[in-house]
Amino acid sequence: AQTVTQSQPEMSVQEAETVTLSCTYDTSENNYYLFWYKQPPSRQMILVIRQEAYKQQNATENRFSVNFQKAAKSFSLKISDSQLGDTAMYFCAFMKHGSSNTGKLIFGQGTTLQVKP
Amino acid sequence: SQTIHQWPATLVQPVGSPLSLECTVEGTSNPNLYWYRQAAGRGLQLLFYSVGIGQISSEVPQNLSASRPQDRQFILSSKKLLLSDSGFYLCAWSVRQAYTDTQYFGPGTRLTVL
Repeated sequence: AQTVTQSQPEMSVQEAETVTLSCTYDTSENNYYLFWYKQPPSRQMILVIRQEAYKQQNATENRFSVNFQKAAKSFSLKISDSQLGDTAMYFCAFMKHGSSNTGKLIFGQGTTLQVKP
Repeated sequence: SQTIHQWPATLVQPVGSPLSLECTVEGTSNPNLYWYRQAAGRGLQLLFYSVGIGQISSEVPQNLSASRPQDRQFILSSKKLLLSDSGFYLCAWSVRQAYTDTQYFGPGTRLTVL
């Protein structure tokens, strides 16, 4: 079974600085997808970034980028130029690829990020 | 553009009462639909998913059930709520494409069972 681990329950960063959130996962699958979702105080889950395991290039979305290390099963999220609106809980998630996939997202426990002015 | 709605936003129910949570999607056809539950301060757990009208698969055995009476409507129900059913319930949709597509979440329903 797949598992996702986020070892940092809470983090804080000063506004305009850079912060990196860690995520590791365990799977025997070769083809899969990884996601970072953001859950602000409103509690709606918002997609931040997505990575396909077969792609060697790290995904980027504006100020958000990932460091995907497939061999190490590591998928960290870097937030550059942190803004107050980035304050939220961040979840790393895993999804299998292929015909046996049910679309089930496996979530980590989350990291609460506070951006301080 | 696609939007997903959930209601009610919050609900307080006594133990043993019935439950009905509704989720609807606009702006897309034939979506995959999902129900997740989030316990306080934790990640999400998939409860049900559906690839079409009347097609429901359960991931976790429990006293909850799901139904999909229309293409873009997904309902989560219970005949008798338990205290352990309290939590935050999120509906999600994705393009029907062998499941391997990004899931987009609704605003959620906070359920408190007393």
